Amino acid sequence: DVKVTQSSRYLVKRTGEKVFLECVQDMDHENMFWYRQDPGLGLRLIYFSYDVKMKEKGDIPEGYSVSREKKERFSLILESASTNQTSMYLCASTVGGDYGYTFGSGTRLTVV
Amino acid sequence: GDSVTQMEGPVTLSEEAFLTINCTYTATGYPSLFWYVQYPGEGLQLLLKATKADDKGSNKGFEATYRKETTSFHLEKGSVQVSDSAVYFCALRGGADGLTFGKGTHLIIQP
Repeated sequence: DVKVTQSSRYLVKRTGEKVFLECVQDMDHENMFWYRQDPGLGLRLIYFSYDVKMKEKGDIPEGYSVSREKKERFSLILESASTNQTSMYLCASTVGGDYGYTFGSGTRLTVV
Repeated sequence: GDSVTQMEGPVTLSEEAFLTINCTYTATGYPSLFWYVQYPGEGLQLLLKATKADDKGSNKGFEATYRKETTSFHLEKGSVQVSDSAVYFCALRGGADGLTFGKGTHLIIQP
């Protein structure tokens, strides 16, 4: 089975800290995505990447950046964490087309 | 832009009841449609999909039919179990920019 592994299940960070959320997939998927999930808002796309070193903004990229130096790893960076970035963050990957996405278990980030 | 609307719930049913979760969408062109399920403490899992009009996706007793004329993809199951308690997300893939999700429907099945 494809596995998407997110490095932390729970994180607590302070306002203003630089935060790195890591995601690794083991099936050589080209496409990787970062979503945030909030009650009443569902999932919203932050950034995605179709290849190494490329990135595209999703619907809510403000306050975030990403890095994809290797095909299997896609990192989400909060340059200066703020309390409104407290959320569940979900990473996903897919081979593309109409194949389904494989999601990681999520990282619940709390910014205090 | 693309959007997905689904009943938010919570939806509470008794075991063995019939389930319908409504989903309608707005998209240009001919999107592919998906249902995902999220069990407590986990990420989302693909439940079923349909890629063209009148296709029926099915899995684990769940079904959904792609209805282009009503722009709908309602999820149904004939007899739900307590283990079906989860959050269900309807989603579409219109183009290359990732999936667009609905807000999720929390389903609670009581024994």
